[in-house]
Amino acid sequence: QVQLQESGPGLVKPSQTLSLTCTVSGGSISSGSYYWSWIRQPAGKGLEWIGRIYTSGSTNYNPSLKSRVTISVDTSKNQFSLKLSSVTAADTAVYYCARDREYSSSSVGMDVWGQGTTVTVSS
Amino acid sequence: SSELTQDPAVSVALGQTVRITCQGDSLRSYYASWYQQKPGQAPVLVIYGKNNRPSGIPDRFSGSSSGNTASLTITGAQAEDEADYYCNSRDSSGNLVVFGGGTKLTVL
Repeated sequence: QVQLQESGPGLVKPSQTLSLTCTVSGGSISSGSYYWSWIRQPAGKGLEWIGRIYTSGSTNYNPSLKSRVTISVDTSKNQFSLKLSSVTAADTAVYYCARDREYSSSSVGMDVWGQGTTVTVSS
Repeated sequence: SSELTQDPAVSVALGQTVRITCQGDSLRSYYASWYQQKPGQAPVLVIYGKNNRPSGIPDRFSGSSSGNTASLTITGAQAEDEADYYCNSRDSSGNLVVFGGGTKLTVL
């Protein structure tokens, strides 16, 4: 049973870089054909996809965040990470990591989620 | 702005059937997946593909699609189904991921 766990600072100062890590347990991050995604949710609002990384290391990013986002993978640690630069209060949210599965060429779904971690941007 | 559009809120009487819809051009090419999110919890995948339920999801949840609209149907809604529901798919290019704005389901 694959499980995901987010970790990182809960408080980040404006203009600094938010850094989070998602640790995969119960399976190898390199096995299977999965994308590994980051999603965020401001309080009281909907889900926003941030970006994803494939096991090969290729990435896709939300165009609205692309200039500030970097997602990387460390297969030796079974982890993938998110860096979001130049943060503002608008980046305050619960951040989730998730396994993004392609069931077929026309069917995708995020079948495993972390519990989420709250990040507040404030001085 | 989201490329998938959902009604903000829907209500259903206990035991009745409710349909939650998701509209977007990309749904002509890609199936939507559906997530249930209860307060303070992470989303849970309830439907993916044409009409597939992950293990542990009750069979009162079903999915369908027609044209640019995907639907999640709950047949015989229970009190525990009260939650926010999100659809998710690829964007029109097929390279990116998009979420709908979410639908708050109230079970009366």
